[in-house]
Amino acid sequence: DSGVTQTPKHLITATGQRVTLRCSPRSGDLSVYWYQQSLDQGLQFLIQYYNGEERAKGNILERFSAQQFPDLHSELNLSSLELGDSALYFCASSVRDNQPQHFGDGTRLSIL
Amino acid sequence: LAKTTQPISMDSYEGQEVNITCSHNNIATNDYITWYQQFPSQGPRFIIQGYKTKVTNEVASLFIPADRKSSTLSLPRVSLSDTAVYYCLVGALYNNNDMRFGAGTRLTVKP
Repeated sequence: DSGVTQTPKHLITATGQRVTLRCSPRSGDLSVYWYQQSLDQGLQFLIQYYNGEERAKGNILERFSAQQFPDLHSELNLSSLELGDSALYFCASSVRDNQPQHFGDGTRLSIL
Repeated sequence: LAKTTQPISMDSYEGQEVNITCSHNNIATNDYITWYQQFPSQGPRFIIQGYKTKVTNEVASLFIPADRKSSTLSLPRVSLSDTAVYYCLVGALYNNNDMRFGAGTRLTVKP
């Protein structure tokens, strides 16, 4: 158990819809990272927050947004969903930047 | 941006030592080297992190030569449960823009 909690575990929706993925980091971790992993693909870094502020941005689409709240949990919002958005979405947390990241079990998003 | 190159796949047998090498020719002075393990449909798990020379923990060793242009993850006496994808990351502490996961190395351990 990494201590990182992601909900929901599975999400099935249709094209054009909007979903919100939630992540609770390990106790004491200030950094939260979001990754996308499509079938048989590597992990694509989307975005990182540190103590409520955006710290780094990767290959995140404009249709996607995220935020980190004062209690340090984070949400990833995906809108105008397309079939290609079907993937595993992982959240990770670390104490600070580039300290070892601890990953949750992911949310599997399926777009029908 | 420190780019890493790893073999796409490797095969081994139970009980053998496995060494996975990662090339990072343009590693910067402040960059650390971190390895993760990922099983199917699970999030990656931190294995080991180092800066230079050798680091050892209860599951692996990390060898880094003096020029730091490569690193080798060593898994002693692998078992079937070590079948996974192994990722090498290179990046500076406090500068997360540089840290990216590559394609990884798919290790298959055979009986």
